[in-house]
Amino acid sequence: GESVGLHLPTLSVQEGDNSIINCAYSNSASDYFIWYKQESGKGPQFIIDIRSNMDKRQGQRVTVLLNKTVKHLSLQIAATQPGDSAVYFCAENINSGNTPLVFGKGTRLSVIA
Amino acid sequence: DGGITQSPKYLFRKEGQNVTLSCEQNLNHDAMYWYRQDPGQGLRLIYYSQIVNDFQKGDIAEGYSVSREKKESFPLTVTSAQKNPTAFYLCASTAGSGETQYFGPGTRLLVL
Repeated sequence: GESVGLHLPTLSVQEGDNSIINCAYSNSASDYFIWYKQESGKGPQFIIDIRSNMDKRQGQRVTVLLNKTVKHLSLQIAATQPGDSAVYFCAENINSGNTPLVFGKGTRLSVIA
Repeated sequence: DGGITQSPKYLFRKEGQNVTLSCEQNLNHDAMYWYRQDPGQGLRLIYYSQIVNDFQKGDIAEGYSVSREKKESFPLTVTSAQKNPTAFYLCASTAGSGETQYFGPGTRLLVL
C-alpha cells in the first residue's frame, strides 16, 4: 500500500516476487540517471545507472528502464529478498554547467518473508 | 561507502554552539556535496563544491558554512543560526558532471 504526507511511499512485496519501483523525473534535458538503495542509518548505495541514449540496462537481479517520452524511470528487482528492504531513490543529472544531481523523494520497499 | 569517510558517526550539539562535520575522500574526485536528510524524507542539498577553493549554496544553505581548502576534504559547519539542526548529514563526491556520485556513511546530529 501507499502512505502520503510525511511518510515515504511504500511498496510491499512477497519474498521471491519481482519488485518494480517507479520514478517520474523532472527535466527533459536530463541525460544521466542513477538508482540508489539506502538502508536504515546508512548512506545511499549506488545500484545501477543509465544514460539517456539507452532504454534499458541490466545488472545483477536489477534492471533499469528509461522512458524519455513520458520522463519515467523504473527499477525492477528480480526475486526480491529480505535484504532488499530499504528506501530506493532515483536521481537525474542535467549535463549542463556541472549542476548537482536532483533526487526523487524515495520509495520504501518492504519485503514480506 | 567507497572511499568517503565521515566523522563522527554521532554528534551532539548544545544550544548556541557551532559544530563541524568532517568529510574526506580518497577517490580523487573534484566535486563534493553535503546533504541533509530528515526522518522519512529525501535528500536536500546544503552546499556543493566543484573545485578546490570554490563552493556554491544549495537549496538549504542558511545556518551552514563550508570550506574547500583541499581536494580531499569538505568540512561542514552547522552554526548557531541553524535553529533545527537535528538530522542525518550525508557527504558525497563525484568525478564530475554526468558521473556516478558516491556517498559517505553519514553523521547523525542531535541537539542536547
